[in-house]
Amino acid sequence: AQTVTQSQPEMSVQEAETVTLSCTYDTSESDYYLFWYKQPPSRQMILVIRQEAYKQQNATENRFSVNFQKAAKSFSLKISDSQLGDAAMYFCAYRSAKNNNAGNMLTFGGGTRLMVKP
Amino acid sequence: NAGVTQTPKFRVLKTGQSMTLLCAQDMNHEYMYWYRQDPGMGLRLIHYSVGEGTTAKGEVPDGYNVSRLKKQNFLLGLESAAPSQTSVYFCASSRTRDRGPTGELFFGEGSRLTVL
Repeated sequence: AQTVTQSQPEMSVQEAETVTLSCTYDTSESDYYLFWYKQPPSRQMILVIRQEAYKQQNATENRFSVNFQKAAKSFSLKISDSQLGDAAMYFCAYRSAKNNNAGNMLTFGGGTRLMVKP
Repeated sequence: NAGVTQTPKFRVLKTGQSMTLLCAQDMNHEYMYWYRQDPGMGLRLIHYSVGEGTTAKGEVPDGYNVSRLKKQNFLLGLESAAPSQTSVYFCASSRTRDRGPTGELFFGEGSRLTVL
């Protein structure tokens, strides 16, 4: 079974600065997806960024980028120019890409609470 | 564009009572999931379904039952609620791999359940 670990329960960053959230995972598969989801106080789960394991290029979405190290099984999220609206819980998640009709569910890490200081 | 809708959004139960959470999706997704979220533990999978009429156990299925009688609906039932089932419950849905997936799950807004 796959596991996802987020070793930082809480992080804080000054507005306009850069912060990196860590995520490691354990899997024996070679084909999978990795995600970062944001959960603001509204509880809504919002997809921030995704990475397909077969792509070597790191994904970027505006101020959000990842550092995907497949051999190290590491998937960190970098938020540049942090804004007050970035304050939220962030979850790292893994999903198998196998076509085995076994549900392909997401496995989540425990989350990192990000605080943004004005 | 409703996406994934959960009802109710909030519920308070007494120990031993039963209830059903309803999840409805309008994206014609084959796969549906129920997760629970607890502090420090992320989201854990309770049950899932890979199609109408099918269900399977996830990581934490004890004390819950599910049904998927229609493709668009996935029901989560608590037959005899316990305080340990106090949590926020999320429903999600996704396409299957052979439909050109992005791999993404689409989530409902969550349902907060308190068992006294």
